[in-house]
Amino acid sequence: NAGVMQNPRHLVRRRGQEARLRCSPMKGHSHVYWYRQLPEEGLKFMVYLQKENIIDESGMPKERFSAEFPKEGPSILRIQQVVRGDSAAYFCASSPVITEELSYEQYFGPGTRLTVT
Amino acid sequence: KNEVEQSPQNLTAQEGEFITINCSYSVGISALHWLQQHPGGGIVSLFMLSSGKKKHGRLIATINIQEKHSSLHITASHPRDSAVYICAVRSWGAQKLVFGQGTRLTINP
Repeated sequence: NAGVMQNPRHLVRRRGQEARLRCSPMKGHSHVYWYRQLPEEGLKFMVYLQKENIIDESGMPKERFSAEFPKEGPSILRIQQVVRGDSAAYFCASSPVITEELSYEQYFGPGTRLTVT
Repeated sequence: KNEVEQSPQNLTAQEGEFITINCSYSVGISALHWLQQHPGGGIVSLFMLSSGKKKHGRLIATINIQEKHSSLHITASHPRDSAVYICAVRSWGAQKLVFGQGTRLTINP
């Protein structure tokens, strides 16, 4: 059972370009979370998605950032018109079906390191 | 004040020493996670706790819900334990994790 997969592992973009980060959850997992780790800072929640639904996007910057998790294929985090401040490690995690009463492990991918030049 | 506070921020010890990392949080939670992040950045989940104590090998995690406090202990520490250890909590009614700033542990041979 392959773990959470993210690609690319490293991404270099010039200011103003678009960045697309992909996350394939573990088999059987239908919940995906995106987290960002800025240089020398802790991890911060960005967005929580289920298949075809955004459940919680309270951590997403208001502009330029969007996320989707289509019925088929990986979850995509999209950053338009990147700026130097977007340089960070972006981690995806997945978990199986959850309920209010139960907490499940979140399994993390290896991350995508975005560098904006 | 952050919702999740870890101490110490940095810890250096000699091989074989008993290590304790602390985590305090300010909200009601349904679960607390301890994570390990190695240089190079990959994140591994060590424990998920909602009460009591869990043990895996040389690692022990405890949580006191009333005091809103958790500890991660490493017995017989080894240089390969050198990593950043991160505490994260899941609040009631939410699915997202809120993270502490991490504790950078260095074990010298």
